Amino acid sequence: GQQLNQSPQSMFIQEGEDVSMNCTSSSIFNTWLWYKQDPGEGPVLLIALYKAGELTSNGRLTAQFGITRKDSFLNISASIPSDVGIYFCAGHSNYQLIWGAGTKLIIKP
Amino acid sequence: DVKVTQSSRYLVKRTGEKVFLECVQDMDHENMFWYRQDPGLGLRLIYFSYDVKMKEKGDIPEGYSVSREKKERFSLILESASTNQTSMYLCASSPSGEGDEKLFFGSGTQLSVL
Repeated sequence: GQQLNQSPQSMFIQEGEDVSMNCTSSSIFNTWLWYKQDPGEGPVLLIALYKAGELTSNGRLTAQFGITRKDSFLNISASIPSDVGIYFCAGHSNYQLIWGAGTKLIIKP
Repeated sequence: DVKVTQSSRYLVKRTGEKVFLECVQDMDHENMFWYRQDPGLGLRLIYFSYDVKMKEKGDIPEGYSVSREKKERFSLILESASTNQTSMYLCASSPSGEGDEKLFFGSGTQLSVL
């Protein structure tokens, strides 16, 4: 099945650093979503984006729906230890949800 | 608090065994999904269901079947477990129509087939 190109695959960062990750696709989507999976849990929805160019924040998280409708970005500002986990992007269109492979965030002690 | 509950957190089975993974949701959602998660591969859709007694194949249905006899329950069946089915299995649900892209996930079942 189709999969989105999500990068980076993993990130090692210091507490307090800002984090950026992105997803690209060859297809257009009507909705972009970002999920986070804590260790040992299922993914939880963080942010949903419904309009090209839309910029949405949820606390320290900011996500954008790309103008071309083929990409999306997620930024985390001033990372803290509880930000560790796997972040998944997903594109939704025509009743289908297509997933990225995930970005694993690890905070250096 | 809304919930998707998977019956087992960890499961160890032998090759050739028939395996049942159960999932129950309390949100009255029409849509239910089974995914498997493997490192570096993300989430891959096995089967999904839009209604009771209805099922559709996802991207990797081979070696699996499903059952949805009641709206709140969606079961994944491994007819004859094989070692390459060792994986994390995630169940999810969503409403139909508006908001159907917002999936609610269970905590997952880590299945090991020996």
